[in-house]
Amino acid sequence: AQSVAQPEDQVNVAEGNPLTVKCTYSVSGNPYLFWYVQYPNRGLQFLLKYITGDNLVKGSYGFEAEFNKSQTSFHLKKPSALVSDSALYFCAVRDGRTTYDKVIFGPGTSLSVIP
Amino acid sequence: DAGVTQSPTHLIKTRGQQVTLRCSPKSGHDTVSWYQQALGQGPQFIFQYYEEEERQRGNFPDRFSGHQFPNYSSELNVNALLLGDSALYLCASSSVPGQGIDEKLFFGSGTQLSVL
Repeated sequence: AQSVAQPEDQVNVAEGNPLTVKCTYSVSGNPYLFWYVQYPNRGLQFLLKYITGDNLVKGSYGFEAEFNKSQTSFHLKKPSALVSDSALYFCAVRDGRTTYDKVIFGPGTSLSVIP
Repeated sequence: DAGVTQSPTHLIKTRGQQVTLRCSPKSGHDTVSWYQQALGQGPQFIFQYYEEEERQRGNFPDRFSGHQFPNYSSELNVNALLLGDSALYLCASSSVPGQGIDEKLFFGSGTQLSVL
């Protein structure tokens, strides 16, 4: 079965600095990877996805993620953090090759951007 | 265009009771997945409904059951509630399975269930 890990429970970064939220995955075959963000008292919102192609994926709100097959990683990045980026971030993988297959989420990383 | 709507937003129950949570998918979507998110954890997949049938199921006991109606809305039922069932229950919708492996999930804001 596919799985994802997020090694950091908490990431703190100063406003204006680059941020990275880490994700590693364990899959058989080519992974279908996603990042979602959750603001307080809200559901999850889609940020970006990797299906195939370019290893650098661009998404919403200036976020991007880099797929690294050799390191089995899919780290989320942003060149300049905003206070409004403070939220919970979840890496996810689709457990299969169709949309019938469930999406499995990591444990989440809490991002705090300090003014 | 309404997104995914869930009701109620909050619910308080006591151990042993039964609860029903409701979800209306985003317009144009016909697949509904339910997730349980305990405090400080990631969402855990409960099950997925498509064409009024349960298509996939996660590692949850039979106390958790569901239903999908012809209009694609869905219900999650939990019987014999335990304290450990306290969590945020999220509904996610997506479009027709098999027509887009890259289809993203659209989530509702969830139902916060507290079991006392």
